[in-house]
Amino acid sequence: GENVEQHPSTLSVQEGDSAVIKCTYSDSASNYFPWYKQELGKRPQLIIDIRSNVGEKKDQRIAVTLNKTAKHFSLHITETQPEDSAVYFCAAYRSASKIIFGSGTRLSIRP
Amino acid sequence: DAGITQSPRHKVTETGTPVTLRCHQTENHRYMYWYRQDPGHGLRLIHYSYGVKDTDKGEVSDGYSVSRSKTEDFLLTLESATSSQTSVYFCAISEGQTSGNTIYFGEGSWLTVV
Repeated sequence: GENVEQHPSTLSVQEGDSAVIKCTYSDSASNYFPWYKQELGKRPQLIIDIRSNVGEKKDQRIAVTLNKTAKHFSLHITETQPEDSAVYFCAAYRSASKIIFGSGTRLSIRP
Repeated sequence: DAGITQSPRHKVTETGTPVTLRCHQTENHRYMYWYRQDPGHGLRLIHYSYGVKDTDKGEVSDGYSVSRSKTEDFLLTLESATSSQTSVYFCAISEGQTSGNTIYFGEGSWLTVV
């Protein structure tokens, strides 16, 4: 069946450096790709999303890129800060009844 | 934050007892979902609803049932709780493609089955 692979599962970066998380999806009909941030004990919250007709989207220090041909999309966080420490989830959305989440990446920011 | 309320937020129950989790939304969104979150598994869909009395199974639906008698409420029931159902349960809502597909999560319900 359809799936979304997310890598790496854990990531540790020095404060101020960049972090990149990558997701690969299998369903070529997927057309919407959100990213969620989940702090410990909290709900997943949408931080950025991209639709299939766009190749890149940026919001301050966060950006997402999409390569439809290769069926992968990536989250880029620049100038990382301690508050960026969290678990990040990607998802591939084909329809409201077909949403597949990645398994998550635990990002730690070293001071 | 989207208007989603889950109750109870925390519950400890004994094996074999029935448990019902409630999700209430004030956004009038069409789609509602129940996910469970476990270490190493991310978010897995249990059941979802696409309208009043319209529900369907997700990838981990065994041992769970749902009901949606009103647009704003989506109930998840564990008929006979087992220790493997110890988890964090998240409700989510979406208007679907008419509003760009965005999915919003509730605050979660922590369930422990002893």
